[in-house]
Amino acid sequence: AQSVTQLDSHVSVSEGTPVLLRCNYSSSYSPSLFWYVQHPNKGLQLLLKYTSAATLVKGINGFEAEFKKSETSFHLTKPSAHMSDAAEYFCVVRWSSGGYQKVTFGTGTKLQVIP
Amino acid sequence: ETGVTQTPRHLVMGMTNKKSLKCEQHLGHNAMYWYKQSAKKPLELMFVYSLEERVENNSVPSRFSPECPNSSHLFLHLHTLQPEDSALYLCASSQYLGNSPLHFGNGTRLTVT
Repeated sequence: AQSVTQLDSHVSVSEGTPVLLRCNYSSSYSPSLFWYVQHPNKGLQLLLKYTSAATLVKGINGFEAEFKKSETSFHLTKPSAHMSDAAEYFCVVRWSSGGYQKVTFGTGTKLQVIP
Repeated sequence: ETGVTQTPRHLVMGMTNKKSLKCEQHLGHNAMYWYKQSAKKPLELMFVYSLEERVENNSVPSRFSPECPNSSHLFLHLHTLQPEDSALYLCASSQYLGNSPLHFGNGTRLTVT
């Protein structure tokens, strides 16, 4: 079985301060992990992906995430928040095996950026 | 331009109407997905098509009827909907197997009156 837990439903940071959005996963197989961002009334946009290459993954808009197998975590970070980062963020785990695939979404974290 | 286009962007329909949502992808993917996103609820997978064959159907009411005529097009036919069906309906595409990400359209905001 596989699951994704986003530990915070809401995170609030001041503009210019670091962002940390937490994600833990469980998977019986070697998973691929993704972070998506969703602005209001828009679809989900891919921020970054981990697919068993480098454990530190850089994405768009200055975001990065580190895959830590020992902690089963894939936290999303950004050194300095910008007002335009205010959105909802989803952590996603995907695996495929034996002609079958499964995609599981976290419940989302809403990021508020305070001026 | 996301590579996945959904039309219409907004739809208001009465409970007795029949309407269809359309999704088109130009990414060469072989799998397409319908998701429902309601306020304060997790994203719900509705249907998955791989090579035009429905491979996943998550106990969706029969008033939602998907159609996948080819690997680039996906429809969701709607009839006799309920107000609780009001939501953002998202289409996505990907390669069915492997570790590639899903690519999403901008969704159709559906309001059932």
